[in-house]
Amino acid sequence: KQEVTQIPAALSVPEGENLVLNCSFTDSAIYNLQWFRQDPGKGLTSLLLIQSSQREQTSGRLNASLDKSSGRSTLYIAASQPGDSATYLCAVRMPSSNSGYALNFGKGTSLLVTP
Amino acid sequence: DGGITQSPKYLFRKEGQNVTLSCEQNLNHDAMYWYRQDPGQGLRLIYYSQIVNDFQKGDIAEGYSVSREKKESFPLTVTSAQKNPTAFYLCASRGRGHQPQHFGDGTRLSIL
Repeated sequence: KQEVTQIPAALSVPEGENLVLNCSFTDSAIYNLQWFRQDPGKGLTSLLLIQSSQREQTSGRLNASLDKSSGRSTLYIAASQPGDSATYLCAVRMPSSNSGYALNFGKGTSLLVTP
Repeated sequence: DGGITQSPKYLFRKEGQNVTLSCEQNLNHDAMYWYRQDPGQGLRLIYYSQIVNDFQKGDIAEGYSVSREKKESFPLTVTSAQKNPTAFYLCASRGRGHQPQHFGDGTRLSIL
C-alpha cells in the first residue's frame, strides 16, 4: 500500500524567506502527484500537478519537483508572505484502477509565515 | 462558474440518527469521491464512484453509505453504525486523464 510522508509536520518562517516542503512516497510507480493548500476549516485548493513523466511544474512563486525513482517531491515557495500560511498537502495517484484512482495523502505540513 | 458544492457546512448528529451530506458538481466529471479528515491526519477514502449507478467502498466504508443516481450528485449518509463520526468530510471529483482532483469546501460533522 502506498504510504505518503510529509516533513516537517510544522514550519514557521519570517516573511520573505524561501522555503522547501518535502514529500516522500513508498511506491515509485505513481501516475501523478498533486500539491494542495488547505486553509483552516476549508476544502483543498489544487496548487500544482506533476505527471509521472515530468520533473517539475511552476506556478508563480511555487515550484514543485518530482524525483519518481527516489520517491520524492518538493514544493519550493519563493519570497514567502503571511498569506502563504496554511497547511500544504501532498497526494499521489497510482496508475491502477484500484480505489478508482483515488489520491493517497500525506498528513500535511502546517506553515506559518510571520510578518 | 464550475465547481463542487457541499452542504451543509456544519451538521450535528444525535445518537442513533442517520444524517446525509450533500455533494453536487457541475464540472461534468464522471468520478466522485468522499474523504474523511481527522485532526493531524491525512485524508482517508470512504467511498468512490467512477460512473452513474456504480460505487465502491474505500478504506473506511463501515458505517457509511452512498448513492449515485445522477452524474452531478454523490450524497453520503453517515449511519448510526458509525460510532465515531466527528470529522471533516470532503467531496471531490475528477476529470479524465491527468486532470487534477477538485474539492468542495467540506462539511464538519459533530455529535450532539
